[in-house]
Amino acid sequence: AQKVTQAQTEISVVEKEDVTLDCVYETRDTTYYLFWYKQPPSGELVFLIRRNSFDEQNEISGRYSWNFQKSTSSFNFTITASQVVDSAVYFCALFSPYSGAGSYQLTFGKGTKLSVIP
Amino acid sequence: GAVVSQHPSRVICKSGTSVKIECRSLDFQATTMFWYRQFPKQSLMLMATSNEGSKATYEQGVEKDKFLINHASLTLSTLTVTSAHPEDSSFYICSAAGTGEYNGQYFGAGTRLSVL
Repeated sequence: AQKVTQAQTEISVVEKEDVTLDCVYETRDTTYYLFWYKQPPSGELVFLIRRNSFDEQNEISGRYSWNFQKSTSSFNFTITASQVVDSAVYFCALFSPYSGAGSYQLTFGKGTKLSVIP
Repeated sequence: GAVVSQHPSRVICKSGTSVKIECRSLDFQATTMFWYRQFPKQSLMLMATSNEGSKATYEQGVEKDKFLINHASLTLSTLTVTSAHPEDSSFYICSAAGTGEYNGQYFGAGTRLSVL
């Protein structure tokens, strides 16, 4: 069975602080994909990143960075110098092609609500 | 690229009426489309998976006669909430999965359904 755990339900930070959102996953498959999505108050899910299980390189995109560690089954997301516009719910998700769950069926974590206070 | 349009964004209806929600992949062909339901402050709950031209696969506990899904083409899937009741009020999100450069799941903006 697959599982994604986002232990932090809610986080509040003051603008310009750095913040890390944790994501721990469970899967028996060796081939899988990990995702982060942002859901602002408007509701739309915004794709942020996809990482496959064979690529452990950390990624940086502007103020966003991701730390993928297979040894600890974690895929953490860091926002540097947070801004009010970063306030949203962030979801981590997992997909395994061979899990039998069907074409690109994602397993979502429960989400972390980030509030950035001006 | 990879734009998914979901319409309407918000609908208010009377109890007992049916509501249709459309999900379109605008710039790619979606081999599979997914329908999710999201309750306030909760994660997305997968309702069903549909492949073009075939019957949708519903998750356990989802009433297929209540939530009718049609995936008539590679760019369009519809969800019809039949005989809606107040407990059906929720945020419904669709997503579309393509192949090749569109290999992934791309989400619509969601539909907020309020049943009075």
